[in-house]
Amino acid sequence: EAQVTQNPRYLITVTGKKLTVTCSQNMNHEYMSWYRQDPGLGLRQIYYSMNVEVTDKGDVPEGYKVSRKEKRNFPLILESPSPNQTSLYFCASSPQTGEGQPQHFGDGTRLSIL
Amino acid sequence: QKEVEQNSGPLSVPEGAIASLNCTYSDRGSQSFFWYRQYSGKSPELIMSIYSNGDKEDGRFTAQLNKASQYVSLLIRDSQPSDSATYLCAVKEGGGGADGLTFGKGTHLIIQP
Repeated sequence: EAQVTQNPRYLITVTGKKLTVTCSQNMNHEYMSWYRQDPGLGLRQIYYSMNVEVTDKGDVPEGYKVSRKEKRNFPLILESPSPNQTSLYFCASSPQTGEGQPQHFGDGTRLSIL
Repeated sequence: QKEVEQNSGPLSVPEGAIASLNCTYSDRGSQSFFWYRQYSGKSPELIMSIYSNGDKEDGRFTAQLNKASQYVSLLIRDSQPSDSATYLCAVKEGGGGADGLTFGKGTHLIIQP
């Protein structure tokens, strides 16, 4: 089954404790992306990757890191999480960045930073 | 900064009626347009895509695009309670650009039984 898998689905942690949210897709997609979704602010892109070893900042990259060492994986790293990073996070992938390629979303990760 | 505007709602529609959802966008270079449905706490699910001016129909859903007016809409015919959700309009610059989707904040649709 074609899917984007995120882990964990839920996490409660404390300020400053490094965490990683994993994202894996089994569709051989080149393009992967991370979004956060907050009430009243909608979905905002954090980082994206056009292919292996190619990553770039989205609209709200501060406080986040990503890596793309393999095509299927695109982890999101919070080196020193803060309460303002409490949010619902989605990973997404698509075959290519050209016209007409909608993104497929993972089920989401709800992070609470205390 | 690219912007995608939607009325946040809630938009309340009686069961069986037509629900009309609207979206405007700021970037004239946008080439691809998508409607996603999102149930509370769930991930966005693609329901319609449209790339050229005019109407595109898929079952009970019709997407309408007017690039001159920078306007895209979604019509849901014979609305069902299961259509109650938040609908996200998403816009993408075409031509192989590095940009991802720019999302509107969504319209909360309520179908009243």
